[in-house]
Amino acid sequence: DAGITQSPRHKVTETGTPVTLRCHQTENHRYMYWYRQDPGHGLRLIHYSYGVKDTDKGEVSDGYSVSRSKTEDFLLTLESATSSQTSVYFCAISDPGQSNQPQHFGDGTRLSIL
Amino acid sequence: GESVGLHLPTLSVQEGDNSIINCAYSNSASDYFIWYKQESGKGPQFIIDIRSNMDKRQGQRVTVLLNKTVKHLSLQIAATQPGDSAVYFCAVLTNTGNQFYFGTGTSLTVIP
Repeated sequence: DAGITQSPRHKVTETGTPVTLRCHQTENHRYMYWYRQDPGHGLRLIHYSYGVKDTDKGEVSDGYSVSRSKTEDFLLTLESATSSQTSVYFCAISDPGQSNQPQHFGDGTRLSIL
Repeated sequence: GESVGLHLPTLSVQEGDNSIINCAYSNSASDYFIWYKQESGKGPQFIIDIRSNMDKRQGQRVTVLLNKTVKHLSLQIAATQPGDSAVYFCAVLTNTGNQFYFGTGTSLTVIP
């Protein structure tokens, strides 16, 4: 398995509170991604990073911010959580190099916002 | 952009039979395709990939077929085993960016 650790694995919090999810990789891959997975939808990209301090938005980025201060860590922050952000969040990594490469995923964080 | 759909949300097969899971995509510029397997409570696991310059690729007990004319992708699992029970979905990458688009998944149940 790719060396990807997500923390926490489960979290329950209240509407309006800030939440930070962490993704840590030991593969030294350049690209890191945050997705959310909801019933009836495929994985949807929130934000991604293509290097330290280099990030860009995905298709569902509203209400989320990210930071990458080190190659191995990519943080996802919900500044003020809402119930619509209840979801399972997955981090992925890839190192495209000269050709497309698959993304490898962590085991997810189940986030419930009450 | 891209939209990706799977043809069946659920599929049940007898142990030992072959399974076929389908995926359709919309963008003819898509050029890289991946199949993932996701077990309950776990992240998606890479199974096999194929690039648009190929129409078939085989792995261990799995085969991916790509039909670019009708924009269709399939995953065939030979001699399906109980351990193959999971959700399977495809991911599609267009040649214009590095964002993958994911299907919603087919839940495969293997009946012993």
